[in-house]
Amino acid sequence: DSGVTQTPKHLITATGQRVTLRCSPRSGDLSVYWYQQSLDQGLQFLIQYYNGEERAKGNILERFSAQQFPDLHSELNLSSLELGDSALYFCASSALGRLGEKLFFGSGTQLSVL
Amino acid sequence: GESVGLHLPTLSVQEGDNSIINCAYSNSASDYFIWYKQESGKGPQFIIDIRSNMDKRQGQRVTVLLNKTVKHLSLQIAATQPGDSAVYFCAENTGANSKLTFGKGITLSVRP
Repeated sequence: DSGVTQTPKHLITATGQRVTLRCSPRSGDLSVYWYQQSLDQGLQFLIQYYNGEERAKGNILERFSAQQFPDLHSELNLSSLELGDSALYFCASSALGRLGEKLFFGSGTQLSVL
Repeated sequence: GESVGLHLPTLSVQEGDNSIINCAYSNSASDYFIWYKQESGKGPQFIIDIRSNMDKRQGQRVTVLLNKTVKHLSLQIAATQPGDSAVYFCAENTGANSKLTFGKGITLSVRP
């Protein structure tokens, strides 16, 4: 158990809908990351937060947004969903978000857009 | 490179043999490298890491080798066990924060 908790484990929804994925980092970790894993693109970095503020942005679509709350949990919001958004979404956390820190991953949320 | 899933490269080894998983990374400025293991239905799990000022690092049954000249990283697993069957990812870290860039992944299959 990595200590990173993601909910829900599975999510099935329809095109055009909006969903929210939730992540609780390991106790004491201040930085949270979101990754998308699909069959054809592998693990793609979406966005990173540190202590409530956005620190780095990757290949995140404008339809997607995220935030980190004062209690350090994070939410990834996906809107106007398309079939191609079906993927595994992972959250990871690290202590301070600095170079050389290990990232600890949650078990992921499997999103299926029908 | 290969894609995860249908086109994921596979390494098949006999139980008890040593495994060598290779990875070519892209950024010569990368400072830190990590190997992750992902079992079915789980998130990536940290195995071992190495900084760019080192060539080799050993853990329990695993060794990581870094060749910066050719931008190549390898993971050696000694006495491979059925529990080692998984997808293995190398990841590199460049810059001031700890955002990781992952390789495409390789499936390790251990034959009993």
